[in-house]
Amino acid sequence: EDKVVQSPLSLVVHEGDTVTLNCSYEVTNFRSLLWYKQEKKAPTFLFMLTSSGIEKKSGRLSSILDKKELFSILNITATQTGDSAIYLCAVVLTGANSKLTFGKGITLSVRP
Amino acid sequence: DAMVIQNPRYQVTQFGKPVTLSCSQTLNHNVMYWYQQKSSQAPKLLFHYYDKDFNNEADTPDNFQSRRPNTSFCFLDIRSPGLGDAAMYLCATSRGLTGFTNEQFFGPGTRLTVL
Repeated sequence: EDKVVQSPLSLVVHEGDTVTLNCSYEVTNFRSLLWYKQEKKAPTFLFMLTSSGIEKKSGRLSSILDKKELFSILNITATQTGDSAIYLCAVVLTGANSKLTFGKGITLSVRP
Repeated sequence: DAMVIQNPRYQVTQFGKPVTLSCSQTLNHNVMYWYQQKSSQAPKLLFHYYDKDFNNEADTPDNFQSRRPNTSFCFLDIRSPGLGDAAMYLCATSRGLTGFTNEQFFGPGTRLTVL
């Protein structure tokens, strides 16, 4: 059975801290890994990772994939209260239908 | 702006009373998905359409049905909602072209309450 595991499940930090969110996976037919941010609404897309070792960066957020060890990390530097959200990791399997297998998500709370 | 639209945003229904949720997209994407997300859980895929080709997940209850009359619209029908069906229902789309790794674009969701 395909499995995506995120850790920790929840995290509380203070503004300015740096956090690392983890996502490991065991799937057949891996194609790519996606990170989403979900506040009290639908998930919004952050990154898509397909190749190992290539860091994707967007402002204070960055992510990297390790296809040998089957995991990805999402880093957030200089956290702000607006970063408080659930961060979802999802794996895309091969096939034209781009089905996603989601992890349970990591709830990040950033305190002022 | 191209987007994924879901209506209504909030739906209240009674136990056993059929309900239909709608999703439309202006992205002209081939694939449309319906997810169920309960509190503090990851979205769970119910089914998806690749064009008119319907794909049901093995563990999706028969109570849930879907229709896609054209590229732009997709409906989720819950024939006899139970209390356990109260959740956020998310519609998503992707280009779904062979050889592409496409992210899914999500609509804002419909929060269903069952009384």
